[in-house]
Parts: sequence; C-alpha cells; structure tokens
Amino acid sequence: NAGVTQTPKFQVLKTGQSMTLQCAQDMNHNSMYWYRQDPGMGLRLIYYSASEGTTDKGEVPNGYNVSRLNKREFSLRLESAAPSQTSVYFCASSVLEPGKNEKLFFGSGTQLSVL
Amino acid sequence: AQSVTQPDIHITVSEGASLELRCNYSYGATPYLFWYVQSPGQGLQLLLKYFSGDTLVQGIKGFEAEFKRSQSSFNLRKPSVHWSDAAEYFCAVGSYDYKLSFGAGTTVTVRA
Repeated sequence: NAGVTQTPKFQVLKTGQSMTLQCAQDMNHNSMYWYRQDPGMGLRLIYYSASEGTTDKGEVPNGYNVSRLNKREFSLRLESAAPSQTSVYFCASSVLEPGKNEKLFFGSGTQLSVL
Repeated sequence: AQSVTQPDIHITVSEGASLELRCNYSYGATPYLFWYVQSPGQGLQLLLKYFSGDTLVQGIKGFEAEFKRSQSSFNLRKPSVHWSDAAEYFCAVGSYDYKLSFGAGTTVTVRA
C-alpha cells in the first residue's frame, strides 16, 4: 500500500521549459490536491479536484494547469516555468466521507528548481 | 477568507521540558482545525484534528491541542518533549472539503 506517490522527487528546469508533475494514490480517494511549499509561507493550495472529472483553482493557480486523468491520478503541469515557481510541491488526497478517517494524506514532495 | 497565524517562527526547548505552539485562525464558520508535523525532507504527517465536540483533542506522539473559539486559537501542547520531536509544525484551518490554509510553520529545536 504505497499511499500517495509523486514523481519526480527532484527536478531542475530552465526558464520557459515545461514539465508535468505526476501524482497517484492507491487509496480510492475521491479528492486530490496540489500544494506548494515556500520558506516562511507554509503550504498554499494550487488546485484541487473534488472528484474524477472535476478540478478547481486554489489560492495560487496562475502558471499551472492540472488534469484529473482518472480517480487515481492528478497531474500538475507547468507550461512555461518561471523562477518564481521554484518550490516544493506536494500532492495530497482525501476520502471526504464522514467517519472514514477524514484527513489529508500527503506525498513525499517534489523539489523543483527553475533557473 | 480563511487564514492561520503561527506567531512563533522558531522555538528551542530542552528535552523533557513542555512545549506549546501557538495557532490563531480566521474563519467565517465553524472551522476544521489541524496540526501537521514535517520532518526534514519528508511530507506532512497529521498529529491531530478538531471537527466538533470536545475542545481538547488528543493526537499521536503524546500531543494534544485545545480549541478556544472565543480566542480563535488552537494551540498545540506536549508535556515532555523528546529529541525526535524536533521538526516543523504547521497549523491549518479549512472546511469539510479539505481546502486548507496553512500557517507559515514553527520550527522546533530540541536541545539535550
């Protein structure tokens, strides 16, 4: 039982390059989330998906796109990376059913540097 | 809008001493409140959560937190700190959909 798996763990990009961060969960959770973590700012929600086929913007969506490919997978895409997107990215999932261990399960993170 | 303030950026505590981390929140309705811990290079692990009911919540690793609605606070406490408690601690607030707002975190250093 792997939980929430993120790939890659580390990535270095040049300004303007594109890439996709992958996230998959094997807990049959309906909701999935992408957060970014910056020093001194805690985690901020980028996008979330309440269920398969739906996505919605969070607090800091600019410069990102997401795809909820199926119930398991939720990817985050940077179309044209900028240095301001240097951050640690966390994917999370949740069951959102009362009485079923409601909490966010986090992946181990992707450390992204944009030069 | 929802927000969380953790007034203490860094706390140093001696092993065996008590620990209290402060958290103040702003939320328009009855909040869901959480404390997470993050060890270096790791993801976040849930320590405890408050949804409703008893305002004193027990969590893992000997931590507890008290919800005080009148003070908009959800402070985390541990009676006796172990060296393994050195980490960064995050308070978060949100609702049933888990679109959480996190505080900036408090780094805890434990000295021998």
